[in-house]
Amino acid sequence: DQQVKQNSPSLSVQEGRISILNCDYTNSMFDYFLWYKKYPAEGPTFLISISSIKDKNEDGRFTVFLNKSAKHLSLHIVPSQPGDSAVYFCAASGETSYDKVIFGPGTSLSVIP
Amino acid sequence: EPEVTQTPSHQVTQMGQEVILRCVPISNHLYFYWYRQILGQKVEFLVSFYNNEISEKSEIFDDQFSVERPDGSNFTLKIRSTKLEDSAMYFCASGMWNTEAFFGQGTRLTVV
Repeated sequence: DQQVKQNSPSLSVQEGRISILNCDYTNSMFDYFLWYKKYPAEGPTFLISISSIKDKNEDGRFTVFLNKSAKHLSLHIVPSQPGDSAVYFCAASGETSYDKVIFGPGTSLSVIP
Repeated sequence: EPEVTQTPSHQVTQMGQEVILRCVPISNHLYFYWYRQILGQKVEFLVSFYNNEISEKSEIFDDQFSVERPDGSNFTLKIRSTKLEDSAMYFCASGMWNTEAFFGQGTRLTVV
């Protein structure tokens, strides 16, 4: 039962170009969405979030777009840097509370110098 | 920069034994969590803790699991009788609000 899906297990992008990571969710009760980044042997690191009342949130090189009708969100990284190479997890909450966060399976991003 | 710290980094235990995983959350945070990631699988929510009680738990968090905040600084996860399938990376996290969490480095639990 995958409530949060990231259909691309991996993505390779040239340094300086845009990285677009996609996420789909099935539960219409979710109303808060987060992106986490994870390096090997470390815990996930919070990147950016968006509430369902917005369709875009921007923080520096990172922008998250939310399309509620399509139950789809995406993370844009512009410009991509080699240090961005990591696993990116999409996550969602709000079904029962904001305490319980459901993670997607992750997309491994490689930024090639 | 304040961080969530977890000990030990790696714990090996025999099946059926009890384990306690320890965490020191960021000091002014109010929400505390445990997650786990079985090798090759996704990060899974186990439990959240607020105001000295469990606020939410998943189906994974059965009677074998318990959490405690014994002294106002530590936050522990106890597994009473470990099973092979409990082998995973366990992440502690904390947050000022329940909308984003700061994760520790994780404890790798290996049940043999």
